[in-house]
Amino acid sequence: AQKVTQAQTEISVVEKEDVTLDCVYETRDTTYYLFWYKQPPSGELVFLIRRNSFDEQNEISGRYSWNFQKSTSSFNFTITASQVVDSAVYFCALSEARSGYSTLTFGKGTMLLVSP
Amino acid sequence: DVKVTQSSRYLVKRTGEKVFLECVQDMDHENMFWYRQDPGLGLRLIYFSYDVKMKEKGDIPEGYSVSREKKERFSLILESASTNQTSMYLCASSFGQPSYEQYFGPGTRLTVT
Repeated sequence: AQKVTQAQTEISVVEKEDVTLDCVYETRDTTYYLFWYKQPPSGELVFLIRRNSFDEQNEISGRYSWNFQKSTSSFNFTITASQVVDSAVYFCALSEARSGYSTLTFGKGTMLLVSP
Repeated sequence: DVKVTQSSRYLVKRTGEKVFLECVQDMDHENMFWYRQDPGLGLRLIYFSYDVKMKEKGDIPEGYSVSREKKERFSLILESASTNQTSMYLCASSFGQPSYEQYFGPGTRLTVT
């Protein structure tokens, strides 16, 4: 069975601090996909990034960056110079083949609180 | 823009009532999903559908059923609501390949009293 672990339940930072959200996964598949989603207080999950298992290049998008390391089965997410609007619950997810179809296994999420 | 809509943001029902939660997507996605989200438990998959009239059980299907009569619509049914089904329910849709992300609706917060 596949598994996604987000060990940090809640993180509190002050605006402008950098923060890293950890994600560790387990899978026996050689081809898989990892995702990060953001859930702001409004409730709707928003897709942030997808990474396939063959692409270990780090990705940067503005203040967001992702570090994928197959050797440690980790896909960590860093927010640089955090802002109050970054306050949300962040979920890491792993694609899984179930009955021949693709589903996502989610971690339990990390709540990020950014205070002014 | 992909749009996934859910029929209600908030719903209050009594124990034993039959409850219908509706989800509609406008991107011609093959796959549709129902999750429930509870504090400390993350998102748990209830049911998913990969085609019209097709469905598969997720991790926690007990007490729920689903219906997909049209490609764009996926309904979650609570045959006899119970208080332990009080939760946030999230619908999502995606294209069929595993590389595609899921798009989520705004959620329905259901309270069963």
